[in-house]
Amino acid sequence: QLQLQESGPGLVKPSETLSLTCTVSGASITNCCYYWGWVRQPPGKGLEWIASVYYTGSTYYNPSLKSRVTMSVDTSRNQLSLKVTSVTATDTAVYYCARHLMNSHDFWGRGTLVTISS
Amino acid sequence: QSALTQPASVSGSPGQSITISCFGTRSDVGGYYHVSWYQQHPGKAPKLMIYDVVTRPSGISDRFSGSKSGNTASLTISGLRAEDEADYYCSSFTTSNTFVFGTGTTVTVL
Repeated sequence: QLQLQESGPGLVKPSETLSLTCTVSGASITNCCYYWGWVRQPPGKGLEWIASVYYTGSTYYNPSLKSRVTMSVDTSRNQLSLKVTSVTATDTAVYYCARHLMNSHDFWGRGTLVTISS
Repeated sequence: QSALTQPASVSGSPGQSITISCFGTRSDVGGYYHVSWYQQHPGKAPKLMIYDVVTRPSGISDRFSGSKSGNTASLTISGLRAEDEADYYCSSFTTSNTFVFGTGTTVTVL
């Protein structure tokens, strides 16, 4: 059964880099034709799509975050990673890893809360 | 890219039908058939309820239905039940090969 597990530090200082990993089990991230992405949700607010990647390395970013975000895949470990640089309090959110096609995000991880604070 | 616009809240009594609207543009909702809807209960991950405007994934009740007209998509919940009380988000693929989510709607069962 497919499982997505986000992991990373729960607390990051302002101006530093936020780094998260999503470990996929129960399926290979190289399976045709799924993309893998990150979505975040600030406390009490709505969902925001961050980025997506195909196992070949093709990436797509939210224009509003593109200058600070890098997403990559490690096919040998069946993992995805997300880095957000120069974080501020507005980057405080639950970060979800999700599988998707063009038409929907059909499978989600449970999410991990990242707080930006000194 | 701007978030799709949804009403902040919608309410209804058990057994009634409610409709949640999702307003976009020609670059997202109006440009593709790739509109999806998600249900999110407090503290939980979003759950896919509708994709490709009208299609329900396996296991999703037929009380949930979707539609689209121009730049506006809609989710209708019929036979409203207490367990339908949750936040609902629409989403669309865009002409820039990105995704955009809606602002979210809180459904309250009276």
